[in-house]
Amino acid sequence: ILNVEQSPQSLHVQEGDSTNFTCSFPSSNFYALHWYRWETAKSPEALFVMTLNGDEKKKGRISATLNTKEGYSYLYIKGSQPEDSATYLCAPGNYGQNFVFGPGTRLSVLP
Amino acid sequence: GAVVSQHPSWVICKSGTSVKIECRSLDFQATTMFWYRQFPKQSLMLMATSNEGSKATYEQGVEKDKFLINHASLTLSTLTVTSAHPEDSSFYICSARFPGGAYEQYFGPGTRLTVT
Repeated sequence: ILNVEQSPQSLHVQEGDSTNFTCSFPSSNFYALHWYRWETAKSPEALFVMTLNGDEKKKGRISATLNTKEGYSYLYIKGSQPEDSATYLCAPGNYGQNFVFGPGTRLSVLP
Repeated sequence: GAVVSQHPSWVICKSGTSVKIECRSLDFQATTMFWYRQFPKQSLMLMATSNEGSKATYEQGVEKDKFLINHASLTLSTLTVTSAHPEDSSFYICSARFPGGAYEQYFGPGTRLTVT
């Protein structure tokens, strides 16, 4: 079973600040990694799926990078808005195994 | 598109009774669905993988006789918590794998189960 870590556990930023958080995972036998945003009382929403080392994906003000050799992915939010407040989950997966969710980073954006 | 519903959204039951939770993919067919459980302040823990037309695959430590999974059609999987106990109280959430995608999963909104 993959050991997936996310840091920080929680984060409070002011509206307009940019922020980033980390997902760490074992690098061996890596297949793909998902990022999800989970707002309270809603379904987790898929943000990105990344497979290649050096991959960089972008969706509006949110972007993510992937380093499969060292086993980490960063999620960046530029100019945070209150609607970005949510828990951000990463889920890496190895070949032949299901994706394993990290504990998440809870982001609160203060107006 | 890619909407997954879950019913009920919350349920309270008495100890010893059974509870059924439904997970439906509304606008796509899902041969594979997943059931997760979330303990307080923890992440989503995969309980089992549900495959249409075959037996579910349970993760280590999950009692298959307690958590019955049935994936009878390409749009419906059910999780039945049998002889529920207070320690089964938790948040249960399902997801459906989108066909042909890079293993993308779409999640339902979850079910809060409280066993009294």
